[in-house]
Amino acid sequence: DVKVTQSSRYLVKRTGEKVFLECVQDMDHENMFWYRQDPGLGLRLIYFSYDVKMKEKGDIPEGYSVSREKKERFSLILESASTNQTSMYLCASGYGQRDWHGYTFGSGTRLTVV
Amino acid sequence: DAKTTQPPSMDCAEGRAANLPCNHSTISGNEYVYWYRQIHSQGPQYIIHGLKNNETNEMASLIITEDRKSSTLILPHATLRDTAVYYCIVHSGGYQKVTFGTGTKLQVIP
Repeated sequence: DVKVTQSSRYLVKRTGEKVFLECVQDMDHENMFWYRQDPGLGLRLIYFSYDVKMKEKGDIPEGYSVSREKKERFSLILESASTNQTSMYLCASGYGQRDWHGYTFGSGTRLTVV
Repeated sequence: DAKTTQPPSMDCAEGRAANLPCNHSTISGNEYVYWYRQIHSQGPQYIIHGLKNNETNEMASLIITEDRKSSTLILPHATLRDTAVYYCIVHSGGYQKVTFGTGTKLQVIP
């Protein structure tokens, strides 16, 4: 089975800290995504990447950046964490061509910024 | 991505069929309909997808209307473990961002 692994399940950080959320997939997928999920707002796309060193803004990129130096790893970076970035963060990956089995998600990282 | 519209919540009696509707009136010819579900505190899980024909797998059936403007996910015998949020999305795969909405919260009642 494809695995998408997020480095932390729970994370507590202080306002102003630089935060790294790591995501690793083991199926050689081209596409990787970062979402955040908040009550009543569903999943909102932050950034996605379709190749190494490539990145595209999603619907809510403000306050975030990403890095994809290797195909299997996609990092989400909060340059200066703020309390409104407290959320559940979900990483997903999938093939670049037509993906017959959809995208695979990680278990999520629940980030609290205090 | 084409947008989808789903009811915010639904109830279903345990053992009965759960029919979850989705409208995607602006779907384009090369876009597939995908369904995912998210059980509390977990990441979304792929269920099924289709282009224009009805599809069935071990988890569910997908019925897509002839004009492809709407679809229905059918869980034939709902169990308490099917209580989750169900997302309907459309995309053509490839190098395209995937946008999720707020989904339908299905509550299976004993």
